[in-house]
Amino acid sequence: GAVVSQHPSWVICKSGTSVKIECRSLDFQATTMFWYRQFPKQSLMLMATSNEGSKATYEQGVEKDKFLINHASLTLSTLTVTSAHPEDSSFYICSASELGGIYGYTFGSGTRLTVV
Amino acid sequence: EDKVVQSPLSLVVHEGDTVTLNCSYEVTNFRSLLWYKQEKKAPTFLFMLTSSGIEKKSGRLSSILDKKELFSILNITATQTGDSAVYLCAVGKDDKIIFGKGTRLHILP
Repeated sequence: GAVVSQHPSWVICKSGTSVKIECRSLDFQATTMFWYRQFPKQSLMLMATSNEGSKATYEQGVEKDKFLINHASLTLSTLTVTSAHPEDSSFYICSASELGGIYGYTFGSGTRLTVV
Repeated sequence: EDKVVQSPLSLVVHEGDTVTLNCSYEVTNFRSLLWYKQEKKAPTFLFMLTSSGIEKKSGRLSSILDKKELFSILNITATQTGDSAVYLCAVGKDDKIIFGKGTRLHILP
């Protein structure tokens, strides 16, 4: 079945630094990738949708200059949290969809980001 | 505004009981309804439903969709402690998935 690899699984960084999270589709071409964040005991909140080769579409309230998304190939999307602050600490999950497939039903394993 | 509402938000039952989790939705451009199980990490896919009235089964889990009344249920029979998790309902639109807040299920041994 479709596999999505996400790394790192967890990362601790200092305030003001940037962190990059990678999401790879291993056995299919992901025309669309989704980035979510999840706070403890809350549901997944969609941050942005990225299509290969074009700019990401951000959900309302998500700062595009802070959460940089790049989807340069059909198998890789990256989320960079720039100038991280403690309030950015969260669980970030990507999911990937192939053209004609069920939108975003294959998830990566998630990245737990802690900003200190 | 699109919304996906799950109930109950939390549920505690004894091992062996049967549970029914509910999901109602108001979403434009509906494509599918999805159920996920989330334990400690990322959600794992359970079911995708696109047609009304057709039950999908996987072992002790089953789900059905009513597109007229805009809801779905997830049934788990003969529950086991390993079923303890958050169950997420999501609706796939034409360009995104919208999640409900989840039902936190705890199975007592």
